[in-house]
Amino acid sequence: DAGVIQSPRHEVTEMGQEVTLRCKPISGHDYLFWYRQTMMRGLELLIYFNNNVPIDDSGMPEDRFSAKMPNASFSTLKIQPSEPRDSAVYFCASSRGTVYNEQFFGPGTRLTVL
Amino acid sequence: AQKITQTQPGMFVQEKEAVTLDCTYDTSDPSYGLFWYKQPSSGEMIFLIYQGSYDQQNATEGRYSLNFQKARKSANLVISASQLGDSAMYFCAMSTLGGSSNTGKLIFGQGTTLQVKP
Repeated sequence: DAGVIQSPRHEVTEMGQEVTLRCKPISGHDYLFWYRQTMMRGLELLIYFNNNVPIDDSGMPEDRFSAKMPNASFSTLKIQPSEPRDSAVYFCASSRGTVYNEQFFGPGTRLTVL
Repeated sequence: AQKITQTQPGMFVQEKEAVTLDCTYDTSDPSYGLFWYKQPSSGEMIFLIYQGSYDQQNATEGRYSLNFQKARKSANLVISASQLGDSAMYFCAMSTLGGSSNTGKLIFGQGTTLQVKP
């Protein structure tokens, strides 16, 4: 089985530009998570979906961030407009459940905003 | 509030020796899961081992075992017979089931960098 797929793997953009990160979860996984990893803040959950429905977006830093899951096999995380402080590695993860199931992470997207 | 604490920023171990990475957690929820992930320098997050709050026995997965001490709220990872490929950052994480907004979230510790010496 293919793991979680993320694209692009690297993204370099200029401040003010729109950035769209993409994720394909593992087939059959009902939960999808978006995380951000920085040196200062470590790993933090941004938002997660259950059966394509956003359940908790309290980690989304501000209105510039939005996430969608139009179907069970695709999700996007969009930043508009991007800022240098958004530079981080963004991970997508999926799982069959929550508390008692491990999450499988994608390879991550390294975002650099100049 | 839920919290994971990893007090060892960095550790060294000699190849073929065992090493213990510490993790303590804080939650008032009786139902929770504890996880360990490995992040090598290449950046991917690799799931290692899981322990449920109601599990009576410590979890084991190959060379990895989890020393679960519920009363002390600790979930230390033990790696036996260390290999050079074990050099990486290790994260302890927790997910709780309490009907609160934290349900389902993985809360991570700050991580421990392990270096295996030849």
